[in-house]
Amino acid sequence: SYELTQPPSVSVSPGQTARITCSGDALPKKFAYWYQQKSGQAPVVVIYEDSKRPSGIPERFSGSSSGTMATLTISGAQVEDEADYYCYSTDSSGNHRRVFGGGTKLTVL
Amino acid sequence: EVQLVESGGGLVQPGGSLRLSCAASGFTFSKYNMNWVRQAPGEGLEWISYISSSGATMYYADSVKGRFIISRDNGKNSLYLQMNSLRVEDTAVYYCARDSAIWDFDYWGQGTLVTVSS
Repeated sequence: SYELTQPPSVSVSPGQTARITCSGDALPKKFAYWYQQKSGQAPVVVIYEDSKRPSGIPERFSGSSSGTMATLTISGAQVEDEADYYCYSTDSSGNHRRVFGGGTKLTVL
Repeated sequence: EVQLVESGGGLVQPGGSLRLSCAASGFTFSKYNMNWVRQAPGEGLEWISYISSSGATMYYADSVKGRFIISRDNGKNSLYLQMNSLRVEDTAVYYCARDSAIWDFDYWGQGTLVTVSS
């Protein structure tokens, strides 16, 4: 089955740049999406189609994708960005599977 | 305002069945594809099922295929998940989530907890 692999945790100090990676064999063919989930809340998309930012998401959030790896970058991370981040994509084999990465806990302190 | 409200969760024994419902409001339900996504306690998100806006097309994760059935009633603005042959590992909060035209899972419900235990 298709898998997306993320680091379990990333830690930065406020104001530093946080980078969260997501690797998957289908990423050269399929878009990556990034969801932020704060404790006790439903997830919210912060990046769609590899690098697009929805309205209302701060400019410090950006995304990129190259080959089999997608990256979420938070430039000048804030304390309020502390959350779990999940990459998401779809399988390219035609079986219509939707897959989340295992999630990355971002700590900002 | 878009609202998705899940219900039907609870405690069930292994091998048992449960039917979850998701009541939608604030948008034209019949025009949107819908999903069920679950999250085990302390774990990550797992997509488990998709249904097209008309209800004609359904997809399932391997972990639930053959045991769970997704359905919808556009006249009642409702999404359902029939869960059979439940296992301990199916214990999770179950969310219904809408697909937008631009990205998947643009709106989520608050979730309903399913606990499978003897």
